[in-house]
Formats: sequence, C-alpha cells, structure tokens
Amino acid sequence: GENVEQHPSTLSVQEGDSAVIKCTYSDSASNYFPWYKQELGKRPQLIIDIRSNVGEKKDQRIAVTLNKTAKHFSLHITETQPEDSAVYFCAASASLVGNQFYFGTGTSLTVIP
Amino acid sequence: DTGVSQDPRHKITKRGQNVTFRCDPISEHNRLYWYRQTLGQGPEFLTYFQNEAQLEKSRLLSDRFSAERPKGSFSTLEIQRTEQGDSAMYLCASSRGTGSPNQPQHFGDGTRLSIL
Repeated sequence: GENVEQHPSTLSVQEGDSAVIKCTYSDSASNYFPWYKQELGKRPQLIIDIRSNVGEKKDQRIAVTLNKTAKHFSLHITETQPEDSAVYFCAASASLVGNQFYFGTGTSLTVIP
Repeated sequence: DTGVSQDPRHKITKRGQNVTFRCDPISEHNRLYWYRQTLGQGPEFLTYFQNEAQLEKSRLLSDRFSAERPKGSFSTLEIQRTEQGDSAMYLCASSRGTGSPNQPQHFGDGTRLSIL
C-alpha cells in the first residue's frame, strides 16, 4: 500500500517568516493530496488540496506544490502568524485503487511572536 | 452545526468491556470513513462506507472491531473485549462522491477512548 513520509516533525519559525513542510509518497497511482491542520484537541481541518493534474495551487498565504515525477509535495505558508501554530498532516490517496487517505506523521509548527 | 458529529466525545472503560461509538456525517455526504489516531501520529484508516455498503477494511481492523451504517446515514463502530492497545482517538469523516475522483474528507471531533 501507500507510504507517506513527512518532514520535519517539528518546525519553529518567527512570526512573519515562511514555513515549508514536505511529504513524499510511494504509490504512483496516488492522485489526490490534501493537507489538514489540527489544533490541540480539535478535529483535523482541510486547509488546501491538490490533484495530480495540477503542479501548484494557492489560497491566500497557503500554497501547495506537487512533483509527480519525484513523488513529493510540499505545503508553503507565507507571512506566518501565531494562529498558524498547529500540527499539519499531509495525505495521499488513489481514487482508482480505493478511497482511503494515507496520512503522514504530522509536523508540529510553532510560530514565535 | 451541519458538520460531522461524533458521540461520545470521551469514553473510559475497563479492559474487556465492549464499547460503541456513533458518527453522524454531513447529511448530503454518501461516503463515511473511520480512522484511529494515536498521540503523535496521523490518522490511520480503519474502514469506509459508500452509502450502506462497507467497501474497504484495513488489516488494522481485527475481528473485535465491527462497523455498520444500516441506512446509509449514521454509522456505529463497536469494539468488543477492549484491550489497552485500543486506547486512541477514533475519528469519523465523510465526503461526497461516487467513483473517481476522491473528494475532500471532513472530520468530526472524534471519540477519545481510554482503557483502564
């Protein structure tokens, strides 16, 4: 099955700086890549997603890039704010294989005011 | 609130007891998923329903675990003869769609299970 690796496991940045989280996947059939933000004690919330027919997608301060050849995708957060502090999870799924999401192990982001 | 709701939020039980959790998906979503999340890890897939049909089950889902979605609306996850290793957050998610492509999954707040 699919294996998703996520790095780094922890990340601290100064407020206003950028943060980058990287994920790799193993199954070339994966074609949908969502990112979730999970605050302590709360539900994972979808923040952005990308499909395999697109190389990059932006939504205000958040962007995701996908390199299908290298099987990796990244989350970019610009102009970080303290409220961006949370655990971020990447995931991959292959609609032609099944509908389950395979999640990475998470990145704990701390934005220092 | 029209999001995914789960009940109970917390469950504490003794080892060997049976527990049942409930999930109510977003009303127009026909897909429903169960995941398990332990501290410091991402959610791990357990099982998936499309309408009332259980279409996928993880190898993680031992025979002590059973899930149902009898009318294609709410779902229940039962764990029989609970063990210490069952302690985790059990998350439910729902999404639209039939067939390809995959759609975003929306999560509930989860049920935190603690086995004494």
